[in-house]
Amino acid sequence: DTAVSQTPKYLVTQMGNDKSIKCEQNLGHDTMYWYKQDSKKFLKIMFSYNNKELIINETVPNRFSPKSPDKAHLNLHINSLELGDSAVYFCASSQTGGVNEKLFFGSGTQLSVL
Amino acid sequence: GQQVMQIPQYQHVQEGEDFTTYCNSSTTLSNIQWYKQRPGGHPVFLIQLVKSGEVKKQKRLTFQFGEAKKNSSLHITATQTTDVGTYFCAGRDTGRRALTFGSGTRLQVQP
Repeated sequence: DTAVSQTPKYLVTQMGNDKSIKCEQNLGHDTMYWYKQDSKKFLKIMFSYNNKELIINETVPNRFSPKSPDKAHLNLHINSLELGDSAVYFCASSQTGGVNEKLFFGSGTQLSVL
Repeated sequence: GQQVMQIPQYQHVQEGEDFTTYCNSSTTLSNIQWYKQRPGGHPVFLIQLVKSGEVKKQKRLTFQFGEAKKNSSLHITATQTTDVGTYFCAGRDTGRRALTFGSGTRLQVQP
């Protein structure tokens, strides 16, 4: 069983479209994250939810809206996609107070905006 | 805001040579973690260091946390082709929940 699963793996779309990426974790963790990795491999935190509550919201355009229906799911909706949104988006989870509080990453969603 | 930089950005070595990547934070860290990302893959946790001056080893990998808890290093002895990937440090400063990832060092190993 995959611990952190994201769908879709690849997403190719036109500028101006709206798209969503879904993430689910079956580790029983209480915290989930979205990270963006650009073409230079920089990994930047976007959002973090703890028990469905938004706890970190970095400087991200408000076209990006995370939603956590329960603590096992964290989805990312992106409105009015722009060329600069092309990147790999990683979902991750961790357990507060867990061993090392290490992050478990999903396999990533490669978003290409044309 | 907190910044975490790594050097070098890229290193190409012959199999059997040693490799070191250095990580520097603009702020004092409560702990530091290291991750490895294989080409086309996702970051995978390697280790966490918490104490000032801490040194940990995992087979051919040696991790150090600086005395001031603002820098760290990862040293690989006698690299193998399986070591290929990008190595990230990630620091958590006091009072901040999220990890800030370093810029990464991409390692290429020539057989």
